[in-house]
Amino acid sequence: KQEVTQIPAALSVPEGENLVLNCSFTDSAIYNLQWFRQDPGKGLTSLLLIQSSQREQTSGRLNASLDKSSGRSTLYIAASQPGDSATYLCAVPSGAGSYQLTFGKGTKLSVIP
Amino acid sequence: GAGVSQSPRYKVAKRGQDVALRCDPISGHVSLFWYQQALGQGPEFLTYFQNEAQLDKSGLPSDRFFAERPEGSVSTLKIQRTQQEDSAVYLCASSLAAGSAEAFFGQGTRLTVV
Repeated sequence: KQEVTQIPAALSVPEGENLVLNCSFTDSAIYNLQWFRQDPGKGLTSLLLIQSSQREQTSGRLNASLDKSSGRSTLYIAASQPGDSATYLCAVPSGAGSYQLTFGKGTKLSVIP
Repeated sequence: GAGVSQSPRYKVAKRGQDVALRCDPISGHVSLFWYQQALGQGPEFLTYFQNEAQLDKSGLPSDRFFAERPEGSVSTLKIQRTQQEDSAVYLCASSLAAGSAEAFFGQGTRLTVV
């Protein structure tokens, strides 16, 4: 059964700092990994989708990497801003060929002005 | 539409009441998913549709939960005889295809059973 772990559970940083969020998964037979952002009381906003054939994806100040063999992904946020404060979730397919997503519990990020 | 739309955004139900939650996926998206998110947890899979066919309902927690997508677009998640443990946020997602396609989520419906 696929299990996803996100470390740390919560993170507080001063504005302008670069930071890294970590995601690990137990079943590496995945075809993609997706990072989401969730604001309080809101749904999930897709940030980045990395296909299994890719090693990283970039969007603006966000860069996500994927190492399938070690079952890890990182989300790098450059020059953090207070508006980046949210919970960040990673999700992977539940198994080989599965369309279900298994999510981590998320990392709650607070960027202090 | 521009994104996945869910209604209502909030629902308070008395224990034992039936509720119906609606999801309008992105136009043209074949795949539709329902997830349940408890407070402080990641979403958990409930059920999956490909067009009008419900291909997987293995995540539905009991036979009180029922989902349909009769014309392959709008979907409804129905919960009969609601119980307090059903209180959660119910999220709908759609994607262009199953598998490698990016999933887009709606704002969710927060259900509170009192």
